Amino acid sequence: RKEVEQDPGPFNVPEGATVAFNCTYSNSASQSFFWYRQDCRKEPKLLMSVYSSGNEDGRFTAQLNRASQYISLLIRDSKLSDSATYLCVVNKERAAGNKLTFGGGTRVLVKP
Amino acid sequence: DTAVSQTPKYLVTQMGNDKSIKCEQNLGHDTMYWYKQDSKKFLKIMFSYNNKELIINETVPNRFSPKSPDKAHLNLHINSLELGDSAVYFCASSQEYLSSYNEQFFGPGTRLTVL
Repeated sequence: RKEVEQDPGPFNVPEGATVAFNCTYSNSASQSFFWYRQDCRKEPKLLMSVYSSGNEDGRFTAQLNRASQYISLLIRDSKLSDSATYLCVVNKERAAGNKLTFGGGTRVLVKP
Repeated sequence: DTAVSQTPKYLVTQMGNDKSIKCEQNLGHDTMYWYKQDSKKFLKIMFSYNNKELIINETVPNRFSPKSPDKAHLNLHINSLELGDSAVYFCASSQEYLSSYNEQFFGPGTRLTVL
């Protein structure tokens, strides 16, 4: 089983619609969680960190469920510019330092 | 102002050659990383340096040797290149390595093709 698993998609989303997807992680000792965004042939960039209580940043909402070991990302009012691959990222444990484990990404295509 | 820069952006070479990729960050960060992203898009950490000291060394063939002359630079030298080394290599940096929520900033990547 992969340490971080994501549905690769693509999720085809009409502009203005809401899309949500999850990511599961296998290591219950995981400390911190993130969503990174990667555009085609570009580098990953941090979209948002995911905190235990859930957090929102504009149209983006992230949730963490430690009991079931998954995190989710919801995008409201999708824009064409939201088309990208969304990488679920987990940091295993503090002692390991800032060692991130990446999922394979969920591709989102927003269409007019 | 480029925060994390890598050279070259593209590298095409023959099997068996030795090549280097350079990385520099101007963010004043203490920690730098090398990642490999394969054709299936999985991004995997290879090495991490904190203040020129190696702190993460994943299961990477010893043909790969990182070198950090100072905390702003982390270069990657690859000996005897193999077909399976073809991938995109990303350099990244973060402020420090012990804080779990430190953002990592990535360079633009080096697309290596081994023929």
